[in-house]
Amino acid sequence: GDSVTQMEGPVTLSEEAFLTINCTYTATGYPSLFWYVQYPGEGLQLLLKATKADDKGSNKGFEATYRKETTSFHLEKGSVQVSDSAVYFCAPPPGGGFKTIFGAGTRLFVKA
Amino acid sequence: DAGITQSPRHKVTETGTPVTLRCHQTENHRYMYWYRQDPGHGLRLIHYSYGVKDTDKGEVSDGYSVSRSKTEDFLLTLESATSSQTSVYFCAISETSGGELFFGEGSRLTVL
Repeated sequence: GDSVTQMEGPVTLSEEAFLTINCTYTATGYPSLFWYVQYPGEGLQLLLKATKADDKGSNKGFEATYRKETTSFHLEKGSVQVSDSAVYFCAPPPGGGFKTIFGAGTRLFVKA
Repeated sequence: DAGITQSPRHKVTETGTPVTLRCHQTENHRYMYWYRQDPGHGLRLIHYSYGVKDTDKGEVSDGYSVSRSKTEDFLLTLESATSSQTSVYFCAISETSGGELFFGEGSRLTVL
């Protein structure tokens, strides 16, 4: 079935460092792909999305490109801030029709 | 922000008691989901709904039941709570089966 493999955390970076969180997927066809972020004490919220192959999603300085040749959707940011400390989830397309199965996410710590 | 309200936000109960968590949405979205989040496990899907009176099981449905009698409400019931059901529960909604999820703020349940 459809699934994602996301790098395990935690990831610890200094402020202004470059961030990459790897995500690869398996899917039938080219469904939409999503990155969600969860700040401490909150629910998940959509960070960015790409609706078809070769699309680039971007938001708040984060980017991810939907690459069909490598089946990847890696999350990148050129210069992280302390406020980016959160858990990041790469979400696969819904399996079995409607359900989105998440992994454990990647926890990011950014030090000042 | 998507109109999703979870209640109660915090609850402490004793083993063996019934508990019902409510998710209320004002977006008229067709799809609704209940997840639980535990350290080391990420988000795990409990049950989901694809329409009024249409529900199905997720990954970890044992010990839980759901009901959806109206578009806007999705109830999660623990018939007889156990300590292993201590968790943070998140409701999510989606307009389409492959679309982005909007999450509630979570309900923290402690079973003593």
